[in-house]
Amino acid sequence: GAGVSQSPRYKVAKRGQDVALRCDPISGHVSLFWYQQALGQGPEFLTYFQNEAQLDKSGLPSDRFFAERPEGSVSTLKIQRTQQEDSAVYLCASMRPGTQTQYFGPGTRLLVL
Amino acid sequence: GNSVTQMEGPVTLSEEAFLTINCTYTATGYPSLFWYVQYPGEGLQLLLKATKADDKGSNKGFEATYRKETTSFHLEKGSVQVSDSAVYFCALSGLDGATNKLIFGTGTLLAVQP
Repeated sequence: GAGVSQSPRYKVAKRGQDVALRCDPISGHVSLFWYQQALGQGPEFLTYFQNEAQLDKSGLPSDRFFAERPEGSVSTLKIQRTQQEDSAVYLCASMRPGTQTQYFGPGTRLLVL
Repeated sequence: GNSVTQMEGPVTLSEEAFLTINCTYTATGYPSLFWYVQYPGEGLQLLLKATKADDKGSNKGFEATYRKETTSFHLEKGSVQVSDSAVYFCALSGLDGATNKLIFGTGTLLAVQP
């Protein structure tokens, strides 16, 4: 596709529900990143994939957060038993090999009530 | 640890005014430095970058110079337009081997009035 796409764009969840956020990276981009952006803050790194391998998950805030990219393309970020503090915009970015430029999707705005 | 500090906003300017948004960083090595911009209702876009000391990144009339001696990467534009109104994020990467994860500042809201 022309850019990174994410779905859904908006998600409202009740506390305790599980949610799944999808990211479609730019075709051919090996690297994929997930970031969390709280209101009024800069994005914070969650996790990184190179193809299907999750090479860095140091930013995941708890074991309720899980990400996968089974075929090295589409990625899913799953949050189990959502809490109010999980409310944020979740950004996905992809990057071509040999470059340092990350291309961001529009984000998924998650609101946990 | 590695971090980015940028000036708090909002920054409010009249059209054609000179813009400076300050950004300083703390890093254990020699990062690459970036400015990203987020226009209203849109996703983050790379504005410019610099990968080594004394490099100058430039795009759309914006410039920033990688200053190792002052650990700074200030964003400047000589004459802003209303269409430049957005949130600007300074960021660094390249300190952690293969990951290239970005570390962002908190963002600076720029509002340009006609």
